[in-house]
Amino acid sequence: DADVTQTPRNRITKTGKRIMLECSQTKGHDRMYWYRQDPGLGLQLIYYSFDVKDINKGEISDGYSVSRQAQAKFSLSLESAIPNQTALYFCATSETRQGSGANVLTFGAGSRLTVL
Amino acid sequence: TQLLEQSPQFLSIQEGENLTVYCNSSSVFSSLQWYRQEPGEGPVLLVTVVTGGEVKKLKRLTFQFGDARKDSSLHITAAQPGDTGLYLCAGARYNFNKFYFGSGTKLNVKP
Repeated sequence: DADVTQTPRNRITKTGKRIMLECSQTKGHDRMYWYRQDPGLGLQLIYYSFDVKDINKGEISDGYSVSRQAQAKFSLSLESAIPNQTALYFCATSETRQGSGANVLTFGAGSRLTVL
Repeated sequence: TQLLEQSPQFLSIQEGENLTVYCNSSSVFSSLQWYRQEPGEGPVLLVTVVTGGEVKKLKRLTFQFGDARKDSSLHITAAQPGDTGLYLCAGARYNFNKFYFGSGTKLNVKP
């Protein structure tokens, strides 16, 4: 099984519908992130969480909400989907590596969302 | 505007050629990472550099962190078709533990 699992992998929906993307991890990491990837724009941070009671907005949080149900679970919701939210969404986890001071991100395989 | 600018955006070369990808910023980073992403998958870490001027080698890949910790480069020697993919740089700022990604370089190595 993958260390970071995202469901669904693909979803097509209509404008105005509520959508939830789920992420679960077996890494035991405290930190979890949701990113959005669009062609030519790299990865943009939507929300991040450093523990169950800590939720922070990223660069592009408008139109999105998140829930950290447990250390291992972090879900992303689109309350009313719109076409420009069509994108590839990635969940990631991280920990601080001993000695280097640098966090390392472990990504899920992605959830492709199409909003018609 | 993005905090990290990558160039070139696209690169198509023949097997055996050398190439360099650049990642530049006006901001200072505590660390900088390079990831490679293949279609249908999430990015996978290649290397982390944390010290200004640091050079790391991973087989045919050489990574360098600028002295001022504002830029980085990835050099591939004798590229192979297996190197094909999207290369992303990501910088972490002091005190925030967030990662800022460049827009990516899409590399295609033709046999």
